[in-house]
Amino acid sequence: GDSVTQMEGPVTLSEEAFLTINCTYTATGYPSLFWYVQYPGEGLQLLLKATKADDKGSNKGFEATYRKETTSFHLEKGSVQVSDSAVYFCALSRTFQGAQKLVFGQGTRLTINP
Amino acid sequence: GAVVSQHPSWVICKSGTSVKIECRSLDFQATTMFWYRQFPKQSLMLMATSNEGSKATYEQGVEKDKFLINHASLTLSTLTVTSAHPEDSSFYICSARPGQGGNQPQHFGDGTRLSIL
Repeated sequence: GDSVTQMEGPVTLSEEAFLTINCTYTATGYPSLFWYVQYPGEGLQLLLKATKADDKGSNKGFEATYRKETTSFHLEKGSVQVSDSAVYFCALSRTFQGAQKLVFGQGTRLTINP
Repeated sequence: GAVVSQHPSWVICKSGTSVKIECRSLDFQATTMFWYRQFPKQSLMLMATSNEGSKATYEQGVEKDKFLINHASLTLSTLTVTSAHPEDSSFYICSARPGQGGNQPQHFGDGTRLSIL
């Protein structure tokens, strides 16, 4: 079945460091790919998305490119801030029995130290 | 835009009590809403998919008589945890998707932390 695998956390970086959180997926067909962010005690917020191969999603300095050849959607940011500390979820969207559903990775907890 | 409100955000109750959680899409119509459960430091587990005006579709292993879902309008879905017990304690998150699907993203509520004593 469809699945999403993220790099294990927690990830701890200093402010202004470069961030990469790896995400790979297994899916039939061509799913849409998403990154969601969850701040402490809150629900998930859509960070960025890509709907087809070679699309690049970007938002708030974060980027991810849909790589069909490597089935990856790695999240990157050039210079992280303390306020980026959160849990990040990679997800794919698939249609099952006529309904579109999200399949989430296990989440990666990111802590940015000042 | 695309705001989803979930209420209550936190509830503590005694074992055996039934608890209702509401999920509202505030500025869009949501044909489909989803209910997730999240255990501490783990990912979201889809419990059920709720379509307006029809019965919810439950994921394998989720007890439909335990977790009652009602989606009576295009802006409101409710999850009732019946006769809750300590093992039902968890973080419950709803999401809503505008329109008829396609590649529309889901928009999430802020979650409800349920603690059963």
